[in-house]
Amino acid sequence: DIQMTQSPASLSASLGETVTIQCRASEDIYSGLAWYQQKPGKSPQLLIYGASSLQDGVPSRFSGSGSGTQYSLKISSMQTEDEGVYFCQQGLKYPYTFGAGTKLELK
Amino acid sequence: QVQLKESGPGLVQPSQTLSLTCTVSGFSLTSYSVHWVRQHSGKSLEWMGRMWSDGDTSYNSAFTSRLSISRDTSKSQVFLKMNSLQTEDTGTYYCARNSGYFDYWGQGVMVTVSS
Repeated sequence: DIQMTQSPASLSASLGETVTIQCRASEDIYSGLAWYQQKPGKSPQLLIYGASSLQDGVPSRFSGSGSGTQYSLKISSMQTEDEGVYFCQQGLKYPYTFGAGTKLELK
Repeated sequence: QVQLKESGPGLVQPSQTLSLTCTVSGFSLTSYSVHWVRQHSGKSLEWMGRMWSDGDTSYNSAFTSRLSISRDTSKSQVFLKMNSLQTEDTGTYYCARNSGYFDYWGQGVMVTVSS
C-alpha cells in the first residue's frame, strides 16, 4: 500500500498568516493527490484534487502544489473558518490511502 | 443537489454483523462510484471499498473476506455488510461519491462495537 506522511501533525497560525502543510507519498503518485478539510463533527470536504486543481466553491486562498512524492497545501491568508483538520489522500492506486491529518488552529 | 446519507445501527455486539445503507440523491449509481470510508474517533481515514458504476466491487485487503458491498439501483442505495465485528471496528462510517476524488460525502454514521 502507498503510505502518506503528513507534516506537521498540528500547527497554529494567526489571522492573515500563510500556512503550509506537507504530504509525502511512499512512491511516485503522479499528482494523484487530493486535500480535504474536516471540521469537528462534520464529514471531510474536498479542497484540492489532482494536486493543484481547486474544487468548485473553495476560496482561492487555498492552493496545492507538488509532484512525484512531495506535495503541499498552502493557505495564503489564514481565516477563522480555516480551523480544522486537513488530510491528504492518494487516488492513484487501490487501496486509496490518507495521511494522518494536520490539525490547524487559530493562534 | 447531490446528497448521500448513511443509516444503520449505532450499536453492534462483538462478533456480530454490521449492516449500513447509503441512500443517494442527485446522481445515478450507474454513473458514479460510491465508496465506504471509515474513521476511528478523531483519527485518520481508512478506505474500505467501493461499488463501481457498472456494479463491480473492490475491497481493501485489510478487511479480507469480512466486507461485502452491494447496491439496489432502483432505490439508489449502496449497502455495506461487515461480519465478525470487534471493538476496533468502532468508528464513524462514511459513504462518499468518487468522480476521481471524493467530491461528496454523507454525514457519517457512528458505530460502536460493544457488548
